[in-house]
Amino acid sequence: AQSVTQLGSHVSVSEGALVLLRCNYSSSVPPYLFWYVQYPNQGLQLLLKYTTGATLVKGINGFEAEFKKSETSFHLTKPSAHMSDAAEYFCAVSDRGSASKIIFGSGTRLSIRP
Amino acid sequence: GAVVSQHPSRVICKSGTSVKIECRSLDFQATTMFWYRQFPKQSLMLMATSNEGSKATYEQGVEKDKFLINHASLTLSTLTVTSAHPEDSSFYICSARSTGGFRGTEAFFGQGTRLTVV
Repeated sequence: AQSVTQLGSHVSVSEGALVLLRCNYSSSVPPYLFWYVQYPNQGLQLLLKYTTGATLVKGINGFEAEFKKSETSFHLTKPSAHMSDAAEYFCAVSDRGSASKIIFGSGTRLSIRP
Repeated sequence: GAVVSQHPSRVICKSGTSVKIECRSLDFQATTMFWYRQFPKQSLMLMATSNEGSKATYEQGVEKDKFLINHASLTLSTLTVTSAHPEDSSFYICSARSTGGFRGTEAFFGQGTRLTVV
């Protein structure tokens, strides 16, 4: 069975500082990996995804993530935090199939200090 | 990106009544749709997977007689919460995956429905 572990339920950084949100996954087959962002009382927006190919994936809003198979990790980073980045972030995994369900991590709330 | 429309965004109902939530894929065909439930400050818990024209597959612990799912067409899935009780109050989110190709690698999410049972 697949699973996702997000380390740190709450991360706080200063505006302009590096953002690092950690995600480790467990999967018996090569997975698809995703990062989603959720603002209060809203649905999810896809930040980026890894499916195949280049292991460093660039997404929207300056975010990127690196797939490291040896570490079973898919950490999300952004070089310089902006106040508008404050939100809930979810790492997710699925099998390689269009009918495969997506399993979410517990989420990390990102706060930005002025 | 693809658009998934979920309606209503908020609903308040009386205990014992039923509520229907619609999830539509507006610009692609969705062979598979998923229904999630999210409690405050928690993650999304998968409730069920629905495939067009067949019965939904429910996750362990989800009451299929309470949460009725219908996926009658490639663009519409509905979740009906039957005989709702206050403990059913939650944020419900649907997602849809397309029939394949590039879009088949990700799921697109609706904006969610805030259900409050009083």
